[in-house]
Amino acid sequence: TQLLEQSPQFLSIQEGENLTVYCNSSSVFSSLQWYRQEPGEGPVLLVTVVTGGEVKKLKRLTFQFGDARKDSSLHITAAQPGDTGLYLCAGDSGAGSYQLTFGKGTKLSVIP
Amino acid sequence: EAGVTQFPSHSVIEKGQTVTLRCDPISGHDNLYWYRRVMGKEIKFLLHFVKESKQDESGMPNNRFLAERTGGTYSTLKVQPAELEDSGVYFCASSLNSGLLFFTDTQYFGPGTRLTVL
Repeated sequence: TQLLEQSPQFLSIQEGENLTVYCNSSSVFSSLQWYRQEPGEGPVLLVTVVTGGEVKKLKRLTFQFGDARKDSSLHITAAQPGDTGLYLCAGDSGAGSYQLTFGKGTKLSVIP
Repeated sequence: EAGVTQFPSHSVIEKGQTVTLRCDPISGHDNLYWYRRVMGKEIKFLLHFVKESKQDESGMPNNRFLAERTGGTYSTLKVQPAELEDSGVYFCASSLNSGLLFFTDTQYFGPGTRLTVL
C-alpha cells in the first residue's frame, strides 16, 4: 500500500511570511499532484509534476518533485490571506492505475 | 462548461438505512472515480469507471457498497445497509481518456456529499 506523509498538518502564519509544505513517501510515483480545497468544495488541481527534480512555479507558489520521485514540496512566498485553505498532495503510481493516493493535507491559515 | 456535480450535498441517515449518492461527470469524460474521506483520514480511492465498465474497484470497503454507471454517463453509489463507519465525505471525480500511455489525465473533483450515519 502506497502512503503519502504530508507535513505539517496545520500551519498558521502571518501575512508576508514564507512557508513550505512537504509530501514524502517510500514509494515511487509516476507523477505527483498538488490540490487546494476550500470548505464545501472538492479539491482543485494546482499543478502536476512528472519528472524527477522538476520545479514548477505558479505565481508565488513553487512546486518541486524529488529526484527519486518519492517526495515533493510546495513553497509559498510572501503568503497572503487568500492563500488560506487545505493543501493536498496526491500521487499517481502509473502503470495503468488511475487511482490517486492522497496525503492527509495541510490546513494553512494566513493571518492578516 | 459545467463541472462535476454531486447530489445530495448532505445526507443524514440512521444506521441500517439505505442511501444513494449521485455523480454527474463533466460531459465527455469517460473516466469516473469515487473517493471517500472519513474524519481524520486521507481521501481514499474507492473505484474507477471507464464509460459503463468498472475498471478498478479495489478500494470498495465491502459488499454493502454498490456503484453503477449505466449508459456511461452519471454514476450512483449506494450504501445498503449503512453503518456508522460509513460517515464521511464522498467525492466523485472525472477525467478525459486521452489514451496516452503512462499519463494520468487530470481528475476534476465534485464538491462532495457529506454522509452522516447516526
